[in-house]
Amino acid sequence: QKEVEQDPGPLSVPEGAIVSLNCTYSNSAFQYFMWYRQYSRKGPELLMYTYSSGNKEDGRFTAQVDKSSKYISLFIRDSQPSDSATYLCAMSTGTGGGNKLTFGTGTQLKVEL
Amino acid sequence: KAGVTQTPRYLIKTRGQQVTLSCSPISGHRSVSWYQQTPGQGLQFLFEYFSETQRNKGNFPGRFSGRQFSNSRSEMNVSTLELGDSALYLCASSLKGSGAGELFFGEGSRLTVL
Repeated sequence: QKEVEQDPGPLSVPEGAIVSLNCTYSNSAFQYFMWYRQYSRKGPELLMYTYSSGNKEDGRFTAQVDKSSKYISLFIRDSQPSDSATYLCAMSTGTGGGNKLTFGTGTQLKVEL
Repeated sequence: KAGVTQTPRYLIKTRGQQVTLSCSPISGHRSVSWYQQTPGQGLQFLFEYFSETQRNKGNFPGRFSGRQFSNSRSEMNVSTLELGDSALYLCASSLKGSGAGELFFGEGSRLTVL
């Protein structure tokens, strides 16, 4: 079993929909949680970064972390065709683990007109 | 502010050859990490360098190696290439080395091994 599980999709939604993406993990030492967006043939782009449990909002994006359930989510409001990409969750333990990130496999999202 | 720059962007090699990939981090960033991305395995951590010292290493064979220079630029080398080494190799830089920093990725070097 992988340390981080993520539904690969593909997920197809109409423009304007609310999108919910999520990951589960097994390593309770993870403290830092990130969401990256990756367009085809590009490098991952950092979208959201959170430490420990709680919510963080940035524009149309909201990240939630529930460490008790080992579950993280990314919500996209008013989704746009430009949001069509692969979304990767990533986590790190920090400190001794340095900047080693453990990634989910990514969820492919398509927002249709 | 310039982002993370990786060269070359694309390259084709044959089995048994070796390859060197280069990464220039964001100015001021001292941590450089390398990842391998394949359709089957996703993104997998190779190694991380901070102030010219390797801090962490992923579960890859010794054919994969790297180094970091005093200006924080980094190179990774893969010797005796195998077909399975075909992948997108991504470099990421961070201001902090503690894991509390955000990682910023380059666009990657796409390696094809024939």
